[in-house]
Amino acid sequence: EDKVVQSPLSLVVHEGDTVTLNCSYEVTNFRSLLWYKQEKKAPTFLFMLTSSGIEKKSGRLSSILDKKELFSILNITATQTGDSAVYLCAVLIPNRDDKIIFGKGTRLHILP
Amino acid sequence: GAVVSQHPSRVICKSGTSVKIECRSLDFQATTMFWYRQFPKQSLMLMATSNEGSKATYEQGVEKDKFLINHASLTLSTLTVTSAHPEDSSFYICSARRRGGRLGEQYFGPGTRLTVT
Repeated sequence: EDKVVQSPLSLVVHEGDTVTLNCSYEVTNFRSLLWYKQEKKAPTFLFMLTSSGIEKKSGRLSSILDKKELFSILNITATQTGDSAVYLCAVLIPNRDDKIIFGKGTRLHILP
Repeated sequence: GAVVSQHPSRVICKSGTSVKIECRSLDFQATTMFWYRQFPKQSLMLMATSNEGSKATYEQGVEKDKFLINHASLTLSTLTVTSAHPEDSSFYICSARRRGGRLGEQYFGPGTRLTVT
């Protein structure tokens, strides 16, 4: 069974701290790994990672994929209260419809 | 661009009734739409995949007679929860894949919170 496992499930840090969120996966077929941020409503796209070892950056967020270890991390530096959200990791399964399997998410809370 | 809307955003219904949720791609044509369900503090669980003009493909464990999906046009898919029960109360989110879009690129709707009393 395809699965995506995220850790920790929840995390509370102070503003300004750096956090690392983890995602491991076991899938029969892999195309890409995706990270999303979910606040109150629908997830918003952060990154898509397809190749190992290539870091993707967007402002204070960065992510990298290790396809040998079946693992990805999402880093957030100099956290702000607006970073409080659930961060979802997902794997894109290559089939006719490009199915996405989500992990349970990491609930991040930034204290002011 | 690439906006997906859902209607209604919130609905309360009585047990035994049916509820229809609409998912629309507002500024693009969606060849494929996906329906997810999310219980509190849980992840998004894919329920079904629908392609325009063909029958939906349901994930294992999802009752196709209970969750009717219709993808009648390239901009609209509907999910009907038939004979709803309190355990169907959940957050339902759709996403759409744009025709000609990048591989894996899906745009999510804002979700519909269903409460069955």
